[in-house]
Amino acid sequence: DVVMTQTPLSSPVTLGQPASISCRSSQSLVHSDGNTYLSWLQQRPGQPPRLLIYKISNRFSGVPDRFSGSGAGTDFTLKISRVEAEDVGVYYCMQGTEFPFTFGPGTKVDIK
Amino acid sequence: QLQLLESGPGLVKPSETLSLTCTVSGGSVSSRSYYWGWIRQPPGKGLEWIGSINYSGSTYHNPSLRNRVTISVDTSKNQFSLKLTSVTAADTAVYYCARHNWNDEESHFDYWGQGTLVTVSS
Repeated sequence: DVVMTQTPLSSPVTLGQPASISCRSSQSLVHSDGNTYLSWLQQRPGQPPRLLIYKISNRFSGVPDRFSGSGAGTDFTLKISRVEAEDVGVYYCMQGTEFPFTFGPGTKVDIK
Repeated sequence: QLQLLESGPGLVKPSETLSLTCTVSGGSVSSRSYYWGWIRQPPGKGLEWIGSINYSGSTYHNPSLRNRVTISVDTSKNQFSLKLTSVTAADTAVYYCARHNWNDEESHFDYWGQGTLVTVSS
């Protein structure tokens, strides 16, 4: 199975300041079709996960543009340009390239 | 707006079978563009993909669950279901159903249900 790791596992941030989460996969996520199926999900406290980003950098419908994704191969990053109170929660990366699909352990973002 | 809603018993005895149903509204499980998936999350832990099914019944599941998983689809009711046999306390989790956008150019879970907690205990 593809192992997904995330750093940091916990990230206290100041409102209005940027935040960054890294995700690394144990093998390249470039699919044979040329796409890289790396997505990011947000899970607010007591809520189900919500898709933020798919295929590395595509924002899902309704996701604020303060969220952005980047990366390639095995290294990926989610950035929040200016953290707002509603961004508190756990963020997961997920790979949809290799079967079985796997998630990272999650990064908890809270306010300092 | 697509909505998914999980339903089923919240308590299952060890060695018995966990059965859950996901009812889809605002969309159709008969759509050829999507799969429909199950993901679980043990209390305080991360996410694990269980398996996915499409309109024709083509199914994929996580090998970690060995042969304990059965996923089925009922297009007449716009539902899909999960059965997990021989459960143990390790199967205690919140179970989510989700639309699995899995085709030639996509592979991600874009719409999720609220989740349902299933506890395995005697």
